[in-house]
Amino acid sequence: EAQVTQNPRYLITVTGKKLTVTCSQNMNHEYMSWYRQDPGLGLRQIYYSMNVEVTDKGDVPEGYKVSRKEKRNFPLILESPSPNQTSLYFCASSLLPGLAGSDTQYFGPGTRLTVL
Amino acid sequence: AQKVTQAQTEISVVEKEDVTLDCVYETRDTTYYLFWYKQPPSGELVFLIRRNSFDEQNEISGRYSWNFQKSTSSFNFTITASQVVDSAVYFCALSESLGGATNKLIFGTGTLLAVQP
Repeated sequence: EAQVTQNPRYLITVTGKKLTVTCSQNMNHEYMSWYRQDPGLGLRQIYYSMNVEVTDKGDVPEGYKVSRKEKRNFPLILESPSPNQTSLYFCASSLLPGLAGSDTQYFGPGTRLTVL
Repeated sequence: AQKVTQAQTEISVVEKEDVTLDCVYETRDTTYYLFWYKQPPSGELVFLIRRNSFDEQNEISGRYSWNFQKSTSSFNFTITASQVVDSAVYFCALSESLGGATNKLIFGTGTLLAVQP
């Protein structure tokens, strides 16, 4: 089954304790992205990757890191989490966008993170 | 700047009623794509439709239909004969092209649809 998986699905942690949220896709997609969802704000892009070893910042990258060492995996790293990073996080993947940036992104199930 | 507005924060209807979710967008791109996603109470995001800026034909898929009007920068979503299973948050999104550099989606703030039995 074609899918995007994320782990863990739920995580409660404390300020400053490094954590990683994993994301994996089995659709051979080049493009992967992380979004966070907050009430009243919709979803906002954190980081994206056009291909292996190619990553770039989205709209809200502060406090996050990513890496893309393999095509299928795109982990999100919070080196020193803070309470304002409490949110619902989604990983997404798609084929490489064309000139119109059009390709449909398919989302993982989400990771609900609480930072105390 | 690119922007998507979903002015309806919450809508409550009774089963079998028709309901329209509004989406208004702003962009300076001449080529762009619009999307609708559904987020049921379980939390995942489900892709519903993608529409490019050159195709203004309305689309129908079962009880769902979409009305794209470039003249008013709107991409509205109608559910006919709503059912309890339609209860969800619905997001409208616009792709930002930047020459294909980002494939970033600009999301609206979502509309919570509650369908009462």
